[in-house]
Amino acid sequence: NAGVTQTPKFQVLKTGQSMTLQCAQDMNHNSMYWYRQDPGMGLRLIYYSASEGTTDKGEVPNGYNVSRLNKREFSLRLESAAPSQTSVYFCASSEMVGYSNQPQHFGDGTRLSIL
Amino acid sequence: GENVEQHPSTLSVQEGDSAVIKCTYSDSASNYFPWYKQELGKGPQLIIDIRSNVGEKKDQRIAVTLNKTAKHFSLHITETQPEDSAVYFCAAHGNNRLAFGKGNQVVVIP
Repeated sequence: NAGVTQTPKFQVLKTGQSMTLQCAQDMNHNSMYWYRQDPGMGLRLIYYSASEGTTDKGEVPNGYNVSRLNKREFSLRLESAAPSQTSVYFCASSEMVGYSNQPQHFGDGTRLSIL
Repeated sequence: GENVEQHPSTLSVQEGDSAVIKCTYSDSASNYFPWYKQELGKGPQLIIDIRSNVGEKKDQRIAVTLNKTAKHFSLHITETQPEDSAVYFCAAHGNNRLAFGKGNQVVVIP
């Protein structure tokens, strides 16, 4: 019972490089989320997908794009990485459709450093 | 938008004692308040949550209380154990947004 799986776990990029962070859940959840966690900042929502086929901006979407590939998978893409995007990225999912008041289940994160 | 603050930022307790973490929120329309525990190198894990129509909820050694009038909610951990050492995040959901606090480091001293 894997829950939410994120790949890769660690990544170092150079400024200007691009990469895609992968997330998959095996709980048949409808909603999925991408957060970033910075020291002393808590968790901030980047993008979310309330259901398969839909995506919406969160609190800090600039510099990112997302794709809800199917019900299981939700990827986050950095087109041109910047040092300000150095962070720990968490993917989460929740059972019901919509960004509503329901428990979210988190993966173990991708630690991304941009030089 | 919703603003959530946690106090204290760091809390050290002796094993067996109780720990209490308090969060305040700003949006009176918020109606869902989860607590997450994050261990080093791991993602946040939901440990307990409470909805606005309930004043208190308990699950074994963990309890959460909600005071809607004062707009604060607290996490209570009784009989603390070394494995309770972690960072704890509170959150409040209102206006279609889940706002997280900045986290509390809890250290249980054996």
